[in-house]
Amino acid sequence: AQSVTQLDSQVPVFEEAPVELRCNYSSSVSVYLFWYVQYPNQGLQLLLKYLSGSTLVESINGFEAEFNKSQTSFHLRKPSVHISDTAEYFCAVSEGSTGGFKTIFGAGTRLFVKA
Amino acid sequence: DGGITQSPKYLFRKEGQNVTLSCEQNLNHDAMYWYRQDPGQGLRLIYYSQIVNDFQKGDIAEGYSVSREKKESFPLTVTSAQKNPTAFYLCASRGADRVLGGYTFGSGTRLTVV
Repeated sequence: AQSVTQLDSQVPVFEEAPVELRCNYSSSVSVYLFWYVQYPNQGLQLLLKYLSGSTLVESINGFEAEFNKSQTSFHLRKPSVHISDTAEYFCAVSEGSTGGFKTIFGAGTRLFVKA
Repeated sequence: DGGITQSPKYLFRKEGQNVTLSCEQNLNHDAMYWYRQDPGQGLRLIYYSQIVNDFQKGDIAEGYSVSREKKESFPLTVTSAQKNPTAFYLCASRGADRVLGGYTFGSGTRLTVV
């Protein structure tokens, strides 16, 4: 069965430090992988996605994620975080060649950036 | 600009009441979804619709109902049968390419039972 595990519920980090938010999934077929960001009392916004091709994908605000098929992981990284990166981050997986009609979300990781 | 509009932003429900959450999109997306978000549990799928006049139950449909009479609109009714309705509700849509673009989410409705 498809599942998504975000290994850390909260990640505190100092401003300008690097950060990694971990995501592992289980699936027996090909997958499409996403990271979404949610600011307080708002909906989710798509941050980046892996569909095919290069296993390293980047967002416009400095985040990157690497698809590792052998480890079934899609960890999110940023080399230097800002206060404004404080938010909740969700990893999501869609399964199958057509992606299916349903996406499974992880429980979320709350990133807290301290000055 | 295209997007998804959810209203109201905050909603209070008395015990035994039905309430309806609105979701409207002008993205011309075929598929629409309702998710419930509780702290520490991520998003759970309530209902989804892939085409007008058709919808399917998600993982936690009990106590909820939906309709899809127009492509742009996918309202969610929280009925009195839903015993623990206090949560943040998110509406989302996805275009014909289904997966490639990911979801577009509304800004959510926070429902509280009083």
